Amino acid sequence: ETGVTQTPRHLVMGMTNKKSLKCEQHLGHNAMYWYKQSAKKPLELMFVYNFKEQTENNSVPSRFSPECPNSSHLFLHLHTLQPEDSALYLCASSQDLGGVYGANVLTFGAGSRLTVL
Amino acid sequence: KQEVTQIPAALSVPEGENLVLNCSFTDSAIYNLQWFRQDPGKGLTSLLLIQSSQREQTSGRLNASLDKSSGRSTLYIAASQPGDSATYLCAVRSGANSKLTFGKGITLSVRP
Repeated sequence: ETGVTQTPRHLVMGMTNKKSLKCEQHLGHNAMYWYKQSAKKPLELMFVYNFKEQTENNSVPSRFSPECPNSSHLFLHLHTLQPEDSALYLCASSQDLGGVYGANVLTFGAGSRLTVL
Repeated sequence: KQEVTQIPAALSVPEGENLVLNCSFTDSAIYNLQWFRQDPGKGLTSLLLIQSSQREQTSGRLNASLDKSSGRSTLYIAASQPGDSATYLCAVRSGANSKLTFGKGITLSVRP
């Protein structure tokens, strides 16, 4: 375990379902992120949160809705997804925003493998 | 816009072989470069970070080099072991205000 826990590890959903991905870190980090890893594509940064405030949304479709109730928890709410949204969704955290710039350590969770039918 | 390329996408070698994984980037004015490892079904773990002023970094059997002028980095793995089997990703920070840009990764299989 890296200190970043993601649940569920696997999720299969239909296009009309609503589901949520959860991420929890007990590292005392202040910044948390959602990344998308699709087959044969580079890792894509989706959302950035710092001290539970969203600081970045990289043009992510509104069918993905993040929520960060506190610095330790991050959710990704999913609704009316498309088959092309099937991917591994990785949560990461770092002490501060430097992590996403490679300035300090980014700690990743194991990911949630999402399949949209 | 920075682009990071890792070729080949997959590599299979016999145990004990010394090997080199390549990473190339289009904009040579980088701030730093990082190599990550990803095991199947797992997240990424940082292996080595090279600042733009550095030529190489070493950790155990791993050595990463950086040649900014040619837009290239290599990850050298000495005496490969089956436990080295994983996907290796290269990520580049293009500037002080730029976030990491990742390559697609190289999936390495070390055969016993």
